[in-house]
Amino acid sequence: RKEVEQDPGPFNVPEGATVAFNCTYSNSASQSFFWYRQDCRKEPKLLMSVYSSGNEDGRFTAQLNRASQYISLLIRDSKLSDSATYLCVDSGGSNYKLTFGKGTLLTVNP
Amino acid sequence: DARVTQTPRHKVTEMGQEVTMRCQPILGHNTVFWYRQTMMQGLELLAYFRNRAPLDDSGMPKDRFSAEMPDATLATLKIQPSEPRDSAVYFCASARAGGRGEKLFFGSGTQLSVL
Repeated sequence: RKEVEQDPGPFNVPEGATVAFNCTYSNSASQSFFWYRQDCRKEPKLLMSVYSSGNEDGRFTAQLNRASQYISLLIRDSKLSDSATYLCVDSGGSNYKLTFGKGTLLTVNP
Repeated sequence: DARVTQTPRHKVTEMGQEVTMRCQPILGHNTVFWYRQTMMQGLELLAYFRNRAPLDDSGMPKDRFSAEMPDATLATLKIQPSEPRDSAVYFCASARAGGRGEKLFFGSGTQLSVL
C-alpha cells in the first residue's frame, strides 16, 4: 500500500457545486496532515492543516478519520478559481517526514 | 513576504553534465526539504535536513545525487552525472519544526531538462 493515496481525478464540476476529495494514509503513527493546492506550473501552497478531527476555513472543510486512516477535503460553492491540483500530505509522525500524495485535479467550469 | 529562493529557475543541460541547484530557506526555518516532481510520480521526497543535519536521504539515488547544507542559509542539490530521466521540477521547501507537524513553504522550483 502506498504511503499516501489520492484519486487523481480529474473532477469536473460546475460553479457553485460541492465537491469532496478523499486521501488515505498508511502510517498509523502520523499525527497531522495537510492539504496543499498547486496551480499549473507553480509551487504547492498550504491550504489547510488537519490536526485532530477536522478544520474549517470558509468554504473549505477538512476532516480526519483516524480509525479508517483517511482525510477528506470538502469544497462548498466552488469557484472557477478553485481549479487546481489538491495534494494531501502526511506529516509522518515524530520524524516529520512529509509525504505527498500524487494529487487530485479539480476543474470548475462556468 | 519571506520566501524560499531557488536558483536557477530553468536549467537545460546535456547528459553527463553536472547540475547544481541552490536553495535559500526562509530565515529562521530549521528544516529543509528537497522534492522532485514529475507527472508520473508526483512529488517525491529526495532528502531533508533538520538544523543542517541530514535526516533522511533514502529517496535519493546515492550514486549520482548529493544534498548538502553548508550553512543555515544555503542548501544544495547536485546531480553528477545527469541523465535524461532526471528531467523534472525540483522543489526546495523549508519549515520551522513544531510539535504538531510542519507547514512547508516552497520555492518556485528548478525546471531541469537533461538532453
